[in-house]
Amino acid sequence: DQQVKQNSPSLSVQEGRISILNCDYTNSMFDYFLWYKKYPAEGPTFLISISSIKDKNEDGRFTVFLNKSAKHLSLHIVPSQPGDSAVYFCAARGGANFGNEKLTFGTGTRLTIIP
Amino acid sequence: DSGVTQTPKHLITATGQRVTLRCSPRSGDLSVYWYQQSLDQGLQFLIQYYNGEERAKGNILERFSAQQFPDLHSELNLSSLELGDSALYFCASSVGGSGEKLFFGSGTQLSVL
Repeated sequence: DQQVKQNSPSLSVQEGRISILNCDYTNSMFDYFLWYKKYPAEGPTFLISISSIKDKNEDGRFTVFLNKSAKHLSLHIVPSQPGDSAVYFCAARGGANFGNEKLTFGTGTRLTIIP
Repeated sequence: DSGVTQTPKHLITATGQRVTLRCSPRSGDLSVYWYQQSLDQGLQFLIQYYNGEERAKGNILERFSAQQFPDLHSELNLSSLELGDSALYFCASSVGGSGEKLFFGSGTQLSVL
């Protein structure tokens, strides 16, 4: 049962344009969402997060949007740069209750920025 | 550098064997998480420890076990290995156990032949 879904395995975007990565989830109990970025031969690194009580969080070129009614979140990167080429994982936390804090990850989207 | 150290980076072994993966968390982090990434799969949660105690369990096989030691390093033991156990195994750590922001190691690539 894939509770966090990233339906686009790959995405190519021209340098300087906007990159939009999407993520859908099925569990309404998720209370915190994160995006991680992964380069080859490295572990995932934290990028940006959003609490379920918010609908937008911005950090520099990165903005995450949350639509709770649609159970959908997206990551916007503006402007896209060659160094943004990586695999992006969406993750959701099961709730801040003991034993339920694990992160559930999507399968990832490989973003390629074309110079 | 995330501060999380995983050893070894690569491991090649045969079916039926047993291996141990080791993880040293960031200084000060009390929680350790283990994740498995198979080909074209997302990161599958295996198990979490907080300050030496098991905190949460995911889809971890009975052939797999883990522990966190008093110095907070953790080991993941995989036994009776099968071809399907070939994967990238990540360890992550966090200050608390609330799973808000994890710091990942670079992973151990396990190949079972």
